[in-house]
Amino acid sequence: AQKVTQAQTEISVVEKEDVTLDCVYETRDTTYYLFWYKQPPSGELVFLIRRNSFDEQNEISGRYSWNFQKSTSSFNFTITASQVVDSAVYFCALSVFSGSARQLTFGSGTQLTVLP
Amino acid sequence: EPEVTQTPSHQVTQMGQEVILRCVPISNHLYFYWYRQILGQKVEFLVSFYNNEISEKSEIFDDQFSVERPDGSNFTLKIRSTKLEDSAMYFCASSEETGGTGELFFGEGSRLTVL
Repeated sequence: AQKVTQAQTEISVVEKEDVTLDCVYETRDTTYYLFWYKQPPSGELVFLIRRNSFDEQNEISGRYSWNFQKSTSSFNFTITASQVVDSAVYFCALSVFSGSARQLTFGSGTQLTVLP
Repeated sequence: EPEVTQTPSHQVTQMGQEVILRCVPISNHLYFYWYRQILGQKVEFLVSFYNNEISEKSEIFDDQFSVERPDGSNFTLKIRSTKLEDSAMYFCASSEETGGTGELFFGEGSRLTVL
């Protein structure tokens, strides 16, 4: 079974600060994908970033960056120079192919509040 | 850009009533999913569907739930006799396998309120 743990329930920062959201995952599969989704107050799930298990290269995409470390089963997500519009719940998720379909397991989410 | 669409965006129903939530997945996708999110909680897997049958279902997906792909484009979730605890946001998703990126494409959700 897969498991995703987001230990930070809530984080509050002041605008322009950098913030890192932690994610630790568990799986026995050797092939998997990791995702971060954003859920604003309106409720939809917004795809942010994706990383597959074979690629540990860390990247930066605009204000977003991520740190994937298989050795510690972690997939942390950083927002640089946070803005008020970044306030949302952020979910880390793990995707494996289970049985005959893809299984996506979500963490419990981290509520990020960016204060002006 | 192709997207998953869901209707209705919000439905209010009385306990015991039947509800059907509708989804139109991305046209070339082969796998379809329903997820549920109770307010303030995490997103939970309900069911996956492939080749006109259920591939996998969670413990949440009991006999009061059913899914159907009635016409080759729509993918529906039916709750036969709603309970108060069925109040949640229901997300439909689809994915392309066989060389896909592992990503599930989500609709904007259908909020169900059971009174």
